[in-house]
Amino acid sequence: GNSVTQMEGPVTLSEEAFLTINCTYTATGYPSLFWYVQYPGEGLQLLLKATKADDKGSNKGFEATYRKETTSFHLEKGSVQVSDSAVYFCALSRIQGAQKLVFGQGTRLTINP
Amino acid sequence: DVKVTQSSRYLVKRTGEKVFLECVQDMDHENMFWYRQDPGLGLRLIYFSYDVKMKEKGDIPEGYSVSREKKERFSLILESASTNQTSMYLCASSFSQGLNSPLHFGNGTRLTVT
Repeated sequence: GNSVTQMEGPVTLSEEAFLTINCTYTATGYPSLFWYVQYPGEGLQLLLKATKADDKGSNKGFEATYRKETTSFHLEKGSVQVSDSAVYFCALSRIQGAQKLVFGQGTRLTINP
Repeated sequence: DVKVTQSSRYLVKRTGEKVFLECVQDMDHENMFWYRQDPGLGLRLIYFSYDVKMKEKGDIPEGYSVSREKKERFSLILESASTNQTSMYLCASSFSQGLNSPLHFGNGTRLTVT
């Protein structure tokens, strides 16, 4: 079946550090891939997406590249800020229904000043 | 901006009670969803709806039902609450089924069943 696996959290970094949050997936066919972010006390919001192999999604300094050969969609940012502290969710869309997303377990990120 | 409003931020209910969680969106979105969020499990889809009076089961519908009598409102019903339904419940909506239509989430309702 379809599934998403994220790196275990929590992740704690200092401000201006380089960030990688790993995400791998298992899916039939060619799903679309997403990163959602949940700031404290809020609902999830879409951070970036990629709809086909080798696509790179980017937003707010974050990037992720759809790697079909390694079934991965790792999230990266070159220099994190305290305001990036949040929970990050990787997700894929199922073939039968584009809106029926499968989410990973989430990775809590804390950035210290 | 799209606003998805969940009626309660925190709820405490007793085992066996009937519980209603309400969600309203203000952007005339066709699709609405109910997820539950649990530590280590991410978000799991309970039910969704693509149109008024239409509903489909998600991955974990057992113990839940839904109602969509009006386009803007999607209610999640726990017929007889149990302690294993203690969780954070998230409502979401989207304009269409296309991939360019992101989900918009409410801020969540944290339900505790004692």
